[in-house]
Amino acid sequence: DVLMTQSPLSLPVTLGQPASISCRSSQSLVYSDGDTYLDWLHQGPGQSPRRLIYKLSNRDSGVPDRFSGSGSGTDFTLNISRVEAEDVGVYYCKQGIHWPWTFGQGTKVEIK
Amino acid sequence: QVQLVESGGGLVQPGGSLRLSCAASGFNFNGFGMHWVRQAPGKGLEWVAFTRYDGSNEFYAKSVKGRFTISRDNSKNTLFLQMDRLRADDTAIYYCAKTPLDYWGQGTQVTVSS
Repeated sequence: DVLMTQSPLSLPVTLGQPASISCRSSQSLVYSDGDTYLDWLHQGPGQSPRRLIYKLSNRDSGVPDRFSGSGSGTDFTLNISRVEAEDVGVYYCKQGIHWPWTFGQGTKVEIK
Repeated sequence: QVQLVESGGGLVQPGGSLRLSCAASGFNFNGFGMHWVRQAPGKGLEWVAFTRYDGSNEFYAKSVKGRFTISRDNSKNTLFLQMDRLRADDTAIYYCAKTPLDYWGQGTQVTVSS
């Protein structure tokens, strides 16, 4: 199975400041169509997961532009340019190219 | 808008069975593959199973293969998960999600305990 490793696992942040989460995969997530099948999801407290970013760097509808995804091959990053209170929760990276699909362990973001 | 509503969770004894359902609306259900993903208490997300749009192919996590069966009824826009030989470590919230995990339901709690 493809191992997805996130860091850090806990991220205390200050409102209005930037935040960054890393994700590394044990295999390349680049498909033959040239796309990279790496997504980022957010799970707020007591909520279902919600996809934020798909295929490496595409924001889902309604996702604020303070969220951005980047990376290549096996190393990926989710950036939040200025953290807002509603951004707290757990962030997961997920690969959707190799069966079984796998998630990172999750990064818990909380306000300092 | 897309809606996914799970049901069928509950308390079951080890070795027992349970059948989860997921009612879909707001999109062309028979045009998309569907997944089950679970989350044990205080833990992260674990992908469980997938069925293609027409039910012609299925994939399972190793932890459930041979015990769980994913299926769908496209005439009723409903996804199912038949769970047999349940174990304590199957205790989790079970979510259904539309491929590629862009829409999720609210989840249904499954507790396996004597």
